[in-house]
Amino acid sequence: AAGVIQSPRHLIKEKRETATLKCYPIPRHDTVYWYQQGPGQDPQFLISFYEKMQSDKGSIPDRFSAQQFSDYHSELNMSSLELGDSALYFCASSLFGGGSSTDTQYFGPGTRLTVL
Amino acid sequence: SQQGEEDPQALSIQEGENATMNCSYKTSINNLQWYRQNSGRGLVHLILIRSNEREKHSGRLRVTLDTSKKSSSLLITASRAADTASYFCATDGGTRSNTGKLIFGQGTTLQVKP
Repeated sequence: AAGVIQSPRHLIKEKRETATLKCYPIPRHDTVYWYQQGPGQDPQFLISFYEKMQSDKGSIPDRFSAQQFSDYHSELNMSSLELGDSALYFCASSLFGGGSSTDTQYFGPGTRLTVL
Repeated sequence: SQQGEEDPQALSIQEGENATMNCSYKTSINNLQWYRQNSGRGLVHLILIRSNEREKHSGRLRVTLDTSKKSSSLLITASRAADTASYFCATDGGTRSNTGKLIFGQGTTLQVKP
C-alpha cells in the first residue's frame, strides 16, 4: 500500500540558510500535518492543512511557512535556519473524519534536518 | 511535554514477558492513539481508542482508557526483541473544532532483551 512520502530524507544546512521539505500524502487523503521532533523529545505539532486550507497552527516559528497544493502535497519552508531547528520533521496524512476513527494519521519516514 | 507524562520513561524486560506503559493527559479527548517509533524513524500507528471505549485489543496489544483519571495504558503481551522501540500516546485535544492534530506524550523507551 502507498505510504506517505517525504523528501529529502536528510538535509544539512548552514545557519541562516533556507530549507524546503516536501510531503506527499497517501492518495485520497485530504489532510496533512507537520510535526517537529527534537532529539530525545516527543513530536510537536507545527501546522496542518485540510483541503488545501490551513486548518490548525501549533508551535511553528514565524520563520516557517507551509502550504498544501492542488495535488494535496505539502511543503514546509524554513528560513533563517537556527541551530535549534535541527530535528526530525514528520509529515502525516489522514482522511479527515472530524474526530471519528478515520482520523488515524499515517506518518512519513521523516526528514532529518541538521543545521550547522 | 504538551500532553503529560508517560510512565515509565524507560522499560527493560526479557523476551516473553509482558510490558505495560502508562500515559496521562491533560485535556478532554475524542480519542487516544498509541504510536511506535523505532530509533530515529517514522511513527507507526498501533491502535486508536475512542473516549467512549474502555478497552481495546489488537493482536498482542491491549489498550485501556480511563477518562475520569485522564489516563491510558498499553500492554504488550509475550514481548519480542522486535518490539524494542519507543512508544508514544497521543490525543486530539478534544476540542469542538477538532482539526485532528495530535498532542503527544513524552514516550516510553522499551527494550526487550532476547
